[in-house]
Amino acid sequence: AQSVTQPDIHITVSEGASLELRCNYSYGATPYLFWYVQSPGQGLQLLLKYFSGDTLVQGIKGFEAEFKRSQSSFNLRKPSVHWSDAAEYFCAVGHGSSNTGKLIFGQGTTLQVKP
Amino acid sequence: ETGVTQTPRHLVMGMTNKKSLKCEQHLGHNAMYWYKQSAKKPLELMFVYSLEERVENNSVPSRFSPECPNSSHLFLHLHTLQPEDSALYLCASRSFTGELFFGEGSRLTVL
Repeated sequence: AQSVTQPDIHITVSEGASLELRCNYSYGATPYLFWYVQSPGQGLQLLLKYFSGDTLVQGIKGFEAEFKRSQSSFNLRKPSVHWSDAAEYFCAVGHGSSNTGKLIFGQGTTLQVKP
Repeated sequence: ETGVTQTPRHLVMGMTNKKSLKCEQHLGHNAMYWYKQSAKKPLELMFVYSLEERVENNSVPSRFSPECPNSSHLFLHLHTLQPEDSALYLCASRSFTGELFFGEGSRLTVL
């Protein structure tokens, strides 16, 4: 069965510290992988995506993610966290060329940033 | 601004009311989605429309009725809802390369 697991429900980091949010997936075909961010009261905003090619992808707001097929992982990283990064982060997997383009989302990780 | 607009942003309704949520996209996409987001639960896909045809109906109760009159508009008609239907309802449109663009959501409270 297709699934996405984000093992950490809550993470707290200090401003300026590095960040890594974990994402593991189970998917039968070559996956399309996404990270989204949601601020309170807002919709989801795409941070970055991986379709093929270079396994290290760069996104907006200084985020990057690395696709590791052998580990079925797509972890999100940022070298130095800013207070404005406090939000909920969702990993998603899908197959972009399918008719429905259905994305399966993880449960999300809430990031808190300490001053 | 993602190019996907949802109205209303907030809605409070009784269990016997009929209301509708509206979604409009200005991105030229051909596929639109309704997701339900409840506290402590993953996003739940409700409906998918591709070229105005419903291609996914994820076992959603009939008290939720979608409508897609054209590729730019998507509605979710609500009738005799239950308190457990209170949630954030997110609309999204899908680009040709597979990513979803979300609206800001409609926060629904059922009394």
